[in-house]
Amino acid sequence: DAGITQSPRHKVTETGTPVTLRCHQTENHRYMYWYRQDPGHGLRLIHYSYGVKDTDKGEVSDGYSVSRSKTEDFLLTLESATSSQTSVYFCAISEGLSYEQYFGPGTRLTVT
Amino acid sequence: QKEVEQDPGPLSVPEGAIVSLNCTYSNSAFQYFMWYRQYSRKGPELLMYTYSSGNKEDGRFTAQVDKSSKYISLFIRDSQPSDSATYLCAMSDYSGGGADGLTFGKGTHLIIQP
Repeated sequence: DAGITQSPRHKVTETGTPVTLRCHQTENHRYMYWYRQDPGHGLRLIHYSYGVKDTDKGEVSDGYSVSRSKTEDFLLTLESATSSQTSVYFCAISEGLSYEQYFGPGTRLTVT
Repeated sequence: QKEVEQDPGPLSVPEGAIVSLNCTYSNSAFQYFMWYRQYSRKGPELLMYTYSSGNKEDGRFTAQVDKSSKYISLFIRDSQPSDSATYLCAMSDYSGGGADGLTFGKGTHLIIQP
């Protein structure tokens, strides 16, 4: 988890409310990623960023948006949370798109 | 069609045993291979990475890649209870293109019995 922090670490929210998760890195890596991890599905890529203001969709992007206004910060927003978005969310960073990735400690989100 | 297959386990072995964890894949373009270890309620931690075929050793851990068989392995010697975790394989084609970057297996849950 060196150089990567996620906040909050735990959150419980109600269906229909907006939620923003934050990832902060001190490694100055160009690429940042958001994954969700669910039993039986493994890690699934939601969105990734290849630079400030440069983002792209991953495998499971519906219902999520991202923003990156600074190299060190990558935000994931659930505009209107649903119970299907209950999951553990991991941020990761890498120097290149196909390089090894380093993960943060995760955020456990429960949508009731 | 799943690109990376990994037995979910659980795999339970006695302390001190040699552990073998494996992944198979279908994309012959993959040439960069990684193993991650994930403890319960923690983020994945990069354990080993290798390029192309061959072996790489780091302490008690050996990563092996057989590109002809599309098969990678992680061996753990003298296994310890602290090795109990979920092990994920990951791989890429290093092309830099596409949205996926790394392709992950779903992980094998390993239990080392004291």
